This record gives sequence, C-alpha cells and structure tokens, in this order.
Amino acid sequence: EPEVTQTPSHQVTQMGQEVILRCVPISNHLYFYWYRQILGQKVEFLVSFYNNEISEKSEIFDDQFSVERPDGSNFTLKIRSTKLEDSAMYFCASSEFANAYNEQFFGPGTRLTVL
Amino acid sequence: AQTVTQSQPEMSVQEAETVTLSCTYDTSENNYYLFWYKQPPSRQMILVIRQEAYKQQNATENRFSVNFQKAAKSFSLKISDSQLGDTAMYFCAFMKRQGAQKLVFGQGTRLTINP
Repeated sequence: EPEVTQTPSHQVTQMGQEVILRCVPISNHLYFYWYRQILGQKVEFLVSFYNNEISEKSEIFDDQFSVERPDGSNFTLKIRSTKLEDSAMYFCASSEFANAYNEQFFGPGTRLTVL
Repeated sequence: AQTVTQSQPEMSVQEAETVTLSCTYDTSENNYYLFWYKQPPSRQMILVIRQEAYKQQNATENRFSVNFQKAAKSFSLKISDSQLGDTAMYFCAFMKRQGAQKLVFGQGTRLTINP
C-alpha cells in the first residue's frame, strides 16, 4: 500500500542553521500539508500546498518557513534560521483531493532537535 | 476558531475489553467532519474513522464506533473487543467541510491494551 515517507527520521541542528525536511507524498496525490507537534503539545497545522502554491498557512508559518515541490516527487519544508522553539516532530501529509471527505495520509514524521 | 479537547491523557484496559475515548470540540460551523486518527508506536498516523456532522447516524468501522452528539459537541470513540494491536496514541480531529482543509487536533490519548 502506498505510503508517505519522510527523511530524515531525526535531525539535530544548531540554532541559527537552516534545515530542510523532506517528504515524498503518495504519487497520485495533489495536495500536501505540513503539521508539527512540539513535545507534549497538540499536533498543529503549518501549511497546505497545491499546484505549486501555498493554499493556506497558519500563524506559526512565518517568513522563516518555506515549502517547495522541487521535482515531481519531493515536498520540502525549509526553516531558514532555526530557533530552539522549532524543536518538534514535523509531519508531512498528502491527499488526493482537498475536501474533508478525502483522507489525509501522514508520514512517520521527522524529529527536529535544535540545540 | 475551532478547538478540540481530549481530557484523557492515558488509558489502559485489558485485552478483549471495551474502551471509550472522549473528545469534545468547539466550533461555530454547522458543516464539518470529525475524525479519529491512530498513531501506533513509531508508526505514522492512520485514519480510524470519520463522521460527517450532518449525518445523524454514528459511524462504524468493524470494532470501532463513535458516539456523535452534535448538540453537546461530543465525539467519543468506542473500541470493542480490544486487541494488543490497538495500543497507540489516538487523536481526535476536526475539519471544516468547506474552505480550509487543515485538521485541528486534540491533545491525544495514549491507549495501552494489556494482555
């Protein structure tokens, strides 16, 4: 069964460094999402992406964050200058269509640790 | 804004027992979907069951069923004949039917099924 994959599973970085988190959505899906979960807190929506454009973003998704689909398969989240508070689990998700009936399929997550 | 609350951080039952996980939500929307996602240890989140708010009949998927009380804004998950493989983190989530396709999650309930 097709799955969303994410790399790396764990990323450790120094504060102020740039990180790129990678996701490979399910191949026939058109809508892509990033969520994050700070330890002990709720899973929070960051951004949704369709047709090479951001569809919606949350207040968390400030100028330090960007998303890109650099080729036909990868979907990336870049954090330009990481802060301690960016330490979290980052989940990528994809769906075939963007309606509430369509299931979002989640990847296993990337644990980002900012030192 | 929508909020989702899961008041049980952890639950533990014996195999074959029935367990009910609680979820309440707050919204001014009339048309929306509610979901239960399961995240097994070190695995990705998978959709367990979904409920459309305009449907009065409670959704059922094999051993999983929901008790949807729209007026009370309550959406509990019942797992019958629990199995060891049901051990996981369970997240309740909300999505508006129209417009934004972001999921709004609760804090999660860690469910342990004991042999």
